[in-house]
Amino acid sequence: GNSVTQMEGPVTLSEEAFLTINCTYTATGYPSLFWYVQYPGEGLQLLLKATKADDKGSNKGFEATYRKETTSFHLEKGSVQVSDSAVYFCALTDNQAGTALIFGKGTTLSVSS
Amino acid sequence: NAGVTQTPKFQVLKTGQSMTLQCAQDMNHEYMSWYRQDPGMGLRLIHYSVGAGITDQGEVPNGYNVSRSTTEDFPLRLLSAAPSQTSVYFCASSYFSGSSYNEQFFGPGTRLTVL
Repeated sequence: GNSVTQMEGPVTLSEEAFLTINCTYTATGYPSLFWYVQYPGEGLQLLLKATKADDKGSNKGFEATYRKETTSFHLEKGSVQVSDSAVYFCALTDNQAGTALIFGKGTTLSVSS
Repeated sequence: NAGVTQTPKFQVLKTGQSMTLQCAQDMNHEYMSWYRQDPGMGLRLIHYSVGAGITDQGEVPNGYNVSRSTTEDFPLRLLSAAPSQTSVYFCASSYFSGSSYNEQFFGPGTRLTVL
């Protein structure tokens, strides 16, 4: 079945450090891939997405590239800020099967000044 | 546009009580779903719907019922609440265009405690 595996956290960084959060997936069909962010006490917001192989999603300085050969969608940011502290979720939808989002377990990022 | 709205924001139930979590969206999205979020477990799909009159089970459907009589509303019913259903519940909606599902839009969540 479809699944998403994220690196476990928490991830603790200093401001301006480089961020990578690893995400790999298993899917039948042709998934779309997403990164969502959840700030403390809030719901989930879409951060970025990619709908086909080799697409790069980007938003607010975050980037992720859809790699079909390695079934990965790693999230990166060159210089994190304290305001980036949140929980990050990798997710997929299997467009062929028409399922709802399948989420990874989430990675907590804490950035200190 | 209000987006996806959920009521109530907080709820405390006693074991065995029933209740309905409300979810509505004003974006005319075909697709709606319910998730529960538990520490260390991420978000798990409870039920989803691809349109009015059509629902299906997700990963953790036991103890929950849903119906979709209109495009806008997708209520989640707890038939007989149990402490294991203490969680934060999120409703989401989405639409299908071309060959892919677009991103899901989430409501603010309902924090449920079952004593």
